Amino acid sequence: DAKTTQPPSMDCAEGRAANLPCNHSTISGNEYVYWYRQIHSQGPQYIIHGLKNNETNEMASLIITEDRKSSTLILPHATLRDTAVYYCIVNTGRRALTFGSGTRLQVQP
Amino acid sequence: GAGVSQSPRYKVAKRGQDVALRCDPISGHVSLFWYQQALGQGPEFLTYFQNEAQLDKSGLPSDRFFAERPEGSVSTLKIQRTQQEDSAVYLCASSLGGRITNTGELFFGEGSRLTVL
Repeated sequence: DAKTTQPPSMDCAEGRAANLPCNHSTISGNEYVYWYRQIHSQGPQYIIHGLKNNETNEMASLIITEDRKSSTLILPHATLRDTAVYYCIVNTGRRALTFGSGTRLQVQP
Repeated sequence: GAGVSQSPRYKVAKRGQDVALRCDPISGHVSLFWYQQALGQGPEFLTYFQNEAQLDKSGLPSDRFFAERPEGSVSTLKIQRTQQEDSAVYLCASSLGGRITNTGELFFGEGSRLTVL
């Protein structure tokens, strides 16, 4: 799987958009970008995934650059409940996901 | 239940004891994964089942670790002769298909926290 690079931590004010970056410069054509998050003492939770096009669901938006070498997860209106570790994962979908260290997002009141 | 269920939630073992951790995946889910998560780290892949077949066990750290899913539903992760370095949260996840591409979604349980004294 392609390696991903994420900042170790970020802060965001409650009610503002949280933009979490991820670099995956070695991504191959058949690899998807997946985002999961893990709230303290819980199992990871799926957020969103995409291949080439930008994606949006009820939780977040995923913006993938045209060259697919980086992406951004956007939480449009962060709440305190969004405080978690966010994992960006690149995978073909045919193998087990490999989690890195992720970004620890702290939403501040 | 509607989600992935793991038991026990907490287990304390003395070094050298054997432990068994159980995972009940979502009904009908074909794929089942086990992960190990040390404190402050991301989950590390251990093993993967498609129905009852163990298709990938490349992440199992030693031959003390054994997993099974005999009827393609419930799975058990067994650790023999536990060591202190086995202390971690053990996470189970399931997905509907044999591949996760279609939905991209793994459903995780809350994990079993193992502490080896």
